[in-house]
Amino acid sequence: SQKIEQNSEALNIQEGKTATLTCNYTNYSPAYLQWYRQDPGRGPVFLLLIRENEKEKRKERLKVTFDTTLKQSLFHITASQPADSATYLCALDPLKGRRALTFGSGTRLQVQP
Amino acid sequence: EAGVTQSPTHLIKTRGQQATLRCSPISGHTSVYWYQQALGLGLQFLLWYDEGEERNRGNFPPRFSGRQFPNYSSELNVNALELEDSALYLCASSSSVVPYGYTFGSGTRLTVV
Repeated sequence: SQKIEQNSEALNIQEGKTATLTCNYTNYSPAYLQWYRQDPGRGPVFLLLIRENEKEKRKERLKVTFDTTLKQSLFHITASQPADSATYLCALDPLKGRRALTFGSGTRLQVQP
Repeated sequence: EAGVTQSPTHLIKTRGQQATLRCSPISGHTSVYWYQQALGLGLQFLLWYDEGEERNRGNFPPRFSGRQFPNYSSELNVNALELEDSALYLCASSSSVVPYGYTFGSGTRLTVV
């Protein structure tokens, strides 16, 4: 069966450190993968999109990698700040654009001051 | 530029009643997506509309239905409400031309009592 797995346990790190979140998927061949941030009671906010032919994408303190052989994406936040505390969702395109995005259940990040 | 707007913000209904939720996409976006997020859970895909047509439907019963109007706004109808329908209903829009991230609204919190 098709699955998207994100670590359901919260990730606690100290301010200034790099946070690394993992997204693994099975039985999908996505053309692209996206990462979103969601704060409690709010809609997700789009952060980054990475295509299947791209290994790495950067935006300010954010970096995403995409390994289609391992079927894994890593999401990094460098120099983390307490304001980065939120739930981070990965989402993938399940059928080359012919289906809506499928979302993982998210990983909650808590950055301690 | 106005974001995705959803109304109402909160809705309380009695079991067996019908609920209607509304969404206005970002100007220029022709695709509208509906997701359900039950408390503490991930986003579950409901419906995708593009250019007035239903493109894709998630694994939900037929009492979940909707439509998209000529101005690309959309409405989600939930008939015969059940207690388990209590959730945050999120609407998102995107351009259908290229794979961009989705822009989400703040959601409608539906409570069924």
